[in-house]
Amino acid sequence: GAVVSQHPSRVICKSGTSVKIECRSLDFQATTMFWYRQFPKQSLMLMATSNEGSKATYEQGVEKDKFLINHASLTLSTLTVTSAHPEDSSFYICSARSGGGSYNEQFFGPGTRLTVL
Amino acid sequence: GDSVTQMEGPVTLSEEAFLTINCTYTATGYPSLFWYVQYPGEGLQLLLKATKADDKGSNKGFEATYRKETTSFHLEKGSVQVSDSAVYFCALTNQGGKLIFGQGTELSVKP
Repeated sequence: GAVVSQHPSRVICKSGTSVKIECRSLDFQATTMFWYRQFPKQSLMLMATSNEGSKATYEQGVEKDKFLINHASLTLSTLTVTSAHPEDSSFYICSARSGGGSYNEQFFGPGTRLTVL
Repeated sequence: GDSVTQMEGPVTLSEEAFLTINCTYTATGYPSLFWYVQYPGEGLQLLLKATKADDKGSNKGFEATYRKETTSFHLEKGSVQVSDSAVYFCALTNQGGKLIFGQGTELSVKP
């Protein structure tokens, strides 16, 4: 089956620093990747959609300059949380989809737990 | 806009009990419907899906039927196990191709 990895799985950083999270599709080419944020005991909130080689599309209320997304290749997307603050602490999950259209399955990564001190 | 509503948890059952987790949706067009499962500290795994009305998705003893007339996709399992303890998310894909999730239902199965 399709596998998506995320790195790191956990990260703790100081307030004001930037953190980069990688999302990789290991055995398929992901034309589209999605980034979600999940608060404790809550649902997933879509942050942005990225297509390989183009700018990410952010959901309403998500700060583009704070959450930088790069989808430079068909197997890698990165999310950089810039100038992180404690309120950015959350579980970040990516997913990847191989083709277009709403019926192509999204495969989810295992998530990254970010803690900002 | 499109939305998914699940029954609130937590749901606590004894092993071998029957499970139902209700899910209803609101959507334009003809969405695909999904159930995902999330084990503690992990990402989401697709449990089952249905892409059109009256389709039944099934996997690992879990089933759900796409009911267009009642806009529902309830998850059922005849006999739960302790290992089924997790959070279950109902979801749909809308016309834009995005996944819309319900709020999640925590299931706890006791021996």
